[in-house]
Amino acid sequence: DGGITQSPKYLFRKEGQNVTLSCEQNLNHDAMYWYRQDPGQGLRLIYYSQIVNDFQKGDIAEGYSVSREKKESFPLTVTSAQKNPTAFYLCASSMRGNYGYTFGSGTRLTVV
Amino acid sequence: KNQVEQSPQSLIILEGKNCTLQCNYTVSPFSNLRWYKQDTGRGPVSLTIMTFSENTKSNGRYTATLDADTKQSSLHITASQLSDSASYICVVRGTDNNDMRFGAGTRLTVKP
Repeated sequence: DGGITQSPKYLFRKEGQNVTLSCEQNLNHDAMYWYRQDPGQGLRLIYYSQIVNDFQKGDIAEGYSVSREKKESFPLTVTSAQKNPTAFYLCASSMRGNYGYTFGSGTRLTVV
Repeated sequence: KNQVEQSPQSLIILEGKNCTLQCNYTVSPFSNLRWYKQDTGRGPVSLTIMTFSENTKSNGRYTATLDADTKQSSLHITASQLSDSASYICVVRGTDNNDMRFGAGTRLTVKP
C-alpha cells in the first residue's frame, strides 16, 4: 500500500540535544512538507521541498533543518537552537501543483 | 492574525444528532478550501475539497458548503456517530501552491 510513514511516534529530547524525525513516502510525490502543530493553533509550516536536493523555509524554520537527498525521504532535525520544541510534528506530501496533501501519522516530541 | 478562523473551538453532541462547524477565511486570492478530519494522535485525512465555483459538496454524512463572496464555509455532519469524535480542520489554499493556511480546528466529541 502506498503511504507516508513517520517515525518514531514518540520522541524524547534532552536539553541541548539534536534529534531527527523521519518521514518516508512511497507515493511518488514530488513535494514534501513539515508542519508543527500546537494546541489551539493551526498547523504551521516549517520547511518544504518541491524537488530532490532543494528545499525552502516555511513560516517557522528557525531551529530546524532538513535534507532532501532522495525523493522518498525528507528528514527533519530539531536542533538545540529550537527553544520550544515540544509539539506534534506532521509530515505531508503531495503531487506538484494544486493537489491536496497526504499526511503521516505524526511524531510527538517532548523535551525532558 | 490567522487567516483561517474556525468556530466553535469545541463542541459536544449526542450520538445521532447533527452539527455544523464554521470556517471563515481572509486568504486572497483563493484557490480552494479543504476540510480535514484529524483523530487524536494521528495525521489529518481529507474529507472534501471545494473550489471557487462550488457551493456544496457531500461525502457520505459530511456536507461542506462554500460562499466565496463572504469567505465562509461550513461542514455539516448528519446523524453523528461515536467515530466522528475528532478535530475538524479547515484549510484554505491561495494561488501560490505552497500557500496553505490551516485553521486551529474544531474539536468534536460525540457522546452516547
